[in-house]
Amino acid sequence: ETGVTQSPTHLIKTRGQQVTLRCSSQSGHNTVSWYQQALGQGPQFIFQYYREEENGRGNFPPRFSGLQFPNYSSELNVNALELDDSALYLCASSLAAVTEAFFGQGTRLTVV
Amino acid sequence: KQEVTQIPAALSVPEGENLVLNCSFTDSAIYNLQWFRQDPGKGLTSLLLIQSSQREQTSGRLNASLDKSSGRSTLYIAASQPGDSATYLCAAYFGNEKLTFGTGTRLTIIP
Repeated sequence: ETGVTQSPTHLIKTRGQQVTLRCSSQSGHNTVSWYQQALGQGPQFIFQYYREEENGRGNFPPRFSGLQFPNYSSELNVNALELDDSALYLCASSLAAVTEAFFGQGTRLTVV
Repeated sequence: KQEVTQIPAALSVPEGENLVLNCSFTDSAIYNLQWFRQDPGKGLTSLLLIQSSQREQTSGRLNASLDKSSGRSTLYIAASQPGDSATYLCAAYFGNEKLTFGTGTRLTIIP
């Protein structure tokens, strides 16, 4: 059974640029959620995708957007990067919206 | 407002001791609660999931309990080892699609 994988593992971007982060869900999982974790904090919910449709969104601005593909992999896109976007971005997959979540290793984004 | 709190933020114990990590939540209408382990700079590893209809879950040296009426969950670690050093996070589903996380307890096991 393949776990959740994220790419890239680390990324450095300049303020104002755009970034795309990728996530492959665990085999058999059709739900993918994205979280942002600032240093020393718990993860904060960005949004969730279920069968290619957005299924809920946290308190993040529209410049945070996403996609889910037919194979249930997902992308997180962030436009007009700000310094405060520097964080660990975590992807989680699950069988359904409120079942056990399995996380990837995360993408460390640094905005300079 | 639905919140999850973990106190203390950090804990150090000698190797071999049994220990308890605490998690409290504000809404008794909890759907389920999940405990995670996070090593520095890494992702989250799921340890245990407790559904709202359950009171306990066990996996090896770990035992998690859930008391909805008091708004508390505990993670019990038996016979602690240096490899147990990590940050432990609890998170709850409150009937919507997102996990609400605490800020974690950073555990250090002293050899």
